[in-house]
Amino acid sequence: DTEVTQTPKHLVMGMTNKKSLKCEQHMGHRAMYWYKQKAKKPPELMFVYSYEKLSINESVPSRFSPECPNSSLLNLHLHALQPEDSALYLCASSPSPAQRRSYGYTFGSGTRLTVV
Amino acid sequence: DAKTTQPPSMDCAEGRAANLPCNHSTISGNEYVYWYRQIHSQGPQYIIHGLKNNETNEMASLIITEDRKSSTLILPHATLRDTAVYYCIVRVVAGGTSYGKLTFGQGTILTVHP
Repeated sequence: DTEVTQTPKHLVMGMTNKKSLKCEQHMGHRAMYWYKQKAKKPPELMFVYSYEKLSINESVPSRFSPECPNSSLLNLHLHALQPEDSALYLCASSPSPAQRRSYGYTFGSGTRLTVV
Repeated sequence: DAKTTQPPSMDCAEGRAANLPCNHSTISGNEYVYWYRQIHSQGPQYIIHGLKNNETNEMASLIITEDRKSSTLILPHATLRDTAVYYCIVRVVAGGTSYGKLTFGQGTILTVHP
């Protein structure tokens, strides 16, 4: 399996809702990432998990809460979002430097989130 | 990670080679050059990477200048499906805390015409 699977593909949520995005990979990668991409802009890094521990938080607002329950799964919990949070949310994984099997990141197809 | 500069857009005729330049004049000795592309509404796709030698795989070739201050991604026979945004990224592969920060610049929009 050489894919990163993200669910759902599309999500519409109200500003008072709580929802979660899910990301799964079975490549044995021990680093996983969340990116946010606004229309016509490059992806922006949000969080990095290494060996199931949060290693980088790019000053993301607390209404975004990441979770890495195991080495294959990464969640992004959403609560009290604003319309400006509407974007494509991308998950990626990569081998950690210690693994060194490959240097490329593998990205999922993303979840297109609309906050109304 | 070093900053990169790419032209905002390029055109290429189908079947011809597409040569996408990237300037990374502040690159450090331990930074690799990566290329990714993003086809509309999909996640970025890894293409190729290199340190100082030229590299080739089934998708593309990467030519890095001897001083490592610039590189060119070559798609030898462009097809309509190669129309995408192409990102050139430089980053440290291992060590320190920066290995996890794959930072995207604005990229080059490549349009392949029939």
